[in-house]
Amino acid sequence: AQKITQTQPGMFVQEKEAVTLDCTYDTSDPSYGLFWYKQPSSGEMIFLIYQGSYDQQNATEGRYSLNFQKARKSANLVISASQLGDSAMYFCAMREGARGTSYGKLTFGQGTILTVHP
Amino acid sequence: GAVVSQHPSWVICKSGTSVKIECRSLDFQATTMFWYRQFPKQSLMLMATSNEGSKATYEQGVEKDKFLINHASLTLSTLTVTSAHPEDSSFYICSASSAYQPQHFGDGTRLSIL
Repeated sequence: AQKITQTQPGMFVQEKEAVTLDCTYDTSDPSYGLFWYKQPSSGEMIFLIYQGSYDQQNATEGRYSLNFQKARKSANLVISASQLGDSAMYFCAMREGARGTSYGKLTFGQGTILTVHP
Repeated sequence: GAVVSQHPSWVICKSGTSVKIECRSLDFQATTMFWYRQFPKQSLMLMATSNEGSKATYEQGVEKDKFLINHASLTLSTLTVTSAHPEDSSFYICSASSAYQPQHFGDGTRLSIL
């Protein structure tokens, strides 16, 4: 069974608008971490934001925020004020077990290709 | 932020050649390193988990003798693709982690076997 699901193969957004990238996950472990990474066409993986399963508040990092709905097992990424440089592939990932951002292997979703139009 | 260096970034070589890819954590000690493989427009597939000073743990379906992993120090892990063939052509990317760092990725290596 797929542990991390990203149902949007591609998304388009107008520059300066906000966009939400969907991610749902499946785990029976009460302790887990959720990550979002950005992968531009050059290939590098850029860490964007992290949400721990015990975190009370939704994570935010600049223009990125994570809409964490634990009961629904969703961890959607919201990018506000989109920029042309945001065009890339975005991956949601989960690490099961242990607390914090460290250790543990990541399971990645299928990815969403975001295209920002001028 | 933490930096992970991966080298080389691009390799083109003949079938039957062995290719070594290095992954270095430049400003933190990485107790654990991970090796992934990625096909175009697809997700990252974990190949193996490498812990410093011990044998790597390979994911199901990954050939241990084909993909040799060495993690000899807290800052260096290597992946050697032995006797590479065209089907081994892919994008290989490493990541490094420690107690206080999320996984930070190298820039990846594009491997093309002719």
